[in-house]
Amino acid sequence: GQNIDQPTEMTATEGAIVQINCTYQTSGFNGLFWYQQHAGEAPTFLSYNVLDGLEEKGRFSSFLSRSKGYSYLLLKELQMKDSASYLCAATDSNYQLIWGAGTKLIIKP
Amino acid sequence: IAGITQAPTSQILAAGRRMTLRCTQDMRHNAMYWYRQDLGLGLRLIHYSNTAGTTGKGEVPDGYSVSRANTDDFPLTLASAVPSQTSVYFCASSDGAGGAQDTQYFGPGTRLTVL
Repeated sequence: GQNIDQPTEMTATEGAIVQINCTYQTSGFNGLFWYQQHAGEAPTFLSYNVLDGLEEKGRFSSFLSRSKGYSYLLLKELQMKDSASYLCAATDSNYQLIWGAGTKLIIKP
Repeated sequence: IAGITQAPTSQILAAGRRMTLRCTQDMRHNAMYWYRQDLGLGLRLIHYSNTAGTTGKGEVPDGYSVSRANTDDFPLTLASAVPSQTSVYFCASSDGAGGAQDTQYFGPGTRLTVL
């Protein structure tokens, strides 16, 4: 079957680093997306990984291991505005996305 | 440039009523999608369209229909609403031919409650 797993909720401190993990199992995998979604708002694109390794984009980095079916999103120098849900999505054999339920990140001062 | 707009923002609907959720994009994207988002679940694809004039079924299409008469508009119709269709509905679009590698851009969502 096809499945995306990520933690339901995480808490971190302002200024710290947090890593949000995602494991996936899809047929026809091509790549993995991370989206950010603030409460009551639409998801917005953060990153897309196709190849193994780490891609850095400012305070946010995303890692992919295709052999392990694993990805993580790394957020550095956390700010209060980073409080949001982070959605992991992997491609499937029908050229569509399978979405995880999202990880709600709570930032404390 | 608005990007993607959805209407209405929210709606309370009696069971059995017909309802159309509207979605319009001004980015000239080829592909468009309808998702529903329920608490504790990931976004689930209802229907999609890779280009004007074509549509396809997603993971949860039952009870919903779509049309794609032109590039900009992609309405979602609930023929006879049921309480299990209570959800937040997101419309999205992507450039390219609708491949899963294309970044999707989302509208603000419609919060629908069916009583």
